[in-house]
Amino acid sequence: TQLLEQSPQFLSIQEGENLTVYCNSSSVFSSLQWYRQEPGEGPVLLVTVVTGGEVKKLKRLTFQFGDARKDSSLHITAAQPGDTGLYLCADSGGGADGLTFGKGTHLIIQP
Amino acid sequence: DTGVSQNPRHKITKRGQNVTFRCDPISEHNRLYWYRQTLGQGPEFLTYFQNEAQLEKSRLLSDRFSAERPKGSFSTLEIQRTEQGDSAMYLCASSLGSGFYGYTFGSGTRLTVV
Repeated sequence: TQLLEQSPQFLSIQEGENLTVYCNSSSVFSSLQWYRQEPGEGPVLLVTVVTGGEVKKLKRLTFQFGDARKDSSLHITAAQPGDTGLYLCADSGGGADGLTFGKGTHLIIQP
Repeated sequence: DTGVSQNPRHKITKRGQNVTFRCDPISEHNRLYWYRQTLGQGPEFLTYFQNEAQLEKSRLLSDRFSAERPKGSFSTLEIQRTEQGDSAMYLCASSLGSGFYGYTFGSGTRLTVV
């Protein structure tokens, strides 16, 4: 059974600071998907990475996929209160059994 | 298309009662998934449909749970004889194809069993 570990579990920083959160898998990802979830809402897809070493940017968010396709990082530059939420990484598992999620990183950006 | 729609958003029920949730996926998506999320955890897979066929069920889906997707459109998830441990957020998602490149989730139904 694949295990996804996310760190840190909780992170609270001031507006304007930079941060990085991590996702590590016990096995190679089929495709790695990052989601953000706000309280009382469903997860919203941020990005999908597939190729080892891949880097994707989404405005102030930078996603890196490890060369061995077993780890990933999400870096946020100049964090804003609107970035507050639960950041989840997930593996598509090749399409069977749906997504496997990590427990997420709870991020709070204080004004 | 306004995305994946779930109803109701919140449900409070007494232990032992039956509840039913509805999910309307994005119309052109052929796959529909149900997940459960408890406090402090990521979503956990329950079951999925490709069109009207239920193709996979998790061990989490006890015999008190049943899901249907008649005609390959909307889906319902029923929980019979609810228990306090069933309290959770129930999320529906849909995808076009295998979901390899991502899923679209609904806003979920928050179930509280008292």
